[in-house]
Amino acid sequence: EAGVAQSPRYKIIEKRQSVAFWCNPISGHATLYWYQQILGQGPKLLIQFQNNGVVDDSQLPKDRFSAERLKGVDSTLKIQPAKLEDSAVYLCASSLKGSLGIQYFGAGTRLSVL
Amino acid sequence: RKEVEQDPGPFNVPEGATVAFNCTYSNSASQSFFWYRQDCRKEPKLLMSVYSSGNEDGRFTAQLNRASQYISLLIRDSKLSDSATYLCVVNGGFKTIFGAGTRLFVKA
Repeated sequence: EAGVAQSPRYKIIEKRQSVAFWCNPISGHATLYWYQQILGQGPKLLIQFQNNGVVDDSQLPKDRFSAERLKGVDSTLKIQPAKLEDSAVYLCASSLKGSLGIQYFGAGTRLSVL
Repeated sequence: RKEVEQDPGPFNVPEGATVAFNCTYSNSASQSFFWYRQDCRKEPKLLMSVYSSGNEDGRFTAQLNRASQYISLLIRDSKLSDSATYLCVVNGGFKTIFGAGTRLFVKA
């Protein structure tokens, strides 16, 4: 069974530029998550989708971050404009049973903002 | 107080040692609990779910104490390959919270 796919694996941009990340969850998983993991910290949930609806985006900095999951399958996360403090690994995860279920993670996108 | 707090690391132990990690959570309505393992520069992967009755998987034992709102992970007979960061995860309804992780180094 294919796992969670993410791209790109690495991205280097300058501050104030924009960037987008893509995620394709495990087939059949209705719940999709985006996390931000800063070095030395645990993953922080940015947004959670159930199918194509948003369940929780309380920690998403909405002035610069946006995410969509238009057809209830793959998803994109965008940052515009990027700040230095956005340097982190952005992890996508999916689960079969919503928030109470096991989450499977993609390999992540490592973002460096210079 | 953080919603999920873990023992500060790192833990440095010799091979064969027994090591225990604790994790406390603040939301008494939390419903499901997990331990994930994260290797350096890799994604988190499920180690085990945590049940009220306690559960064991080989050298790993997880316990949940709802009254005191903490979960624990015990690793027996530590191996070099157990070196990683262990993340406590608490789910309460629609909200998933990861702890900051506890770093474990197992040395020969």
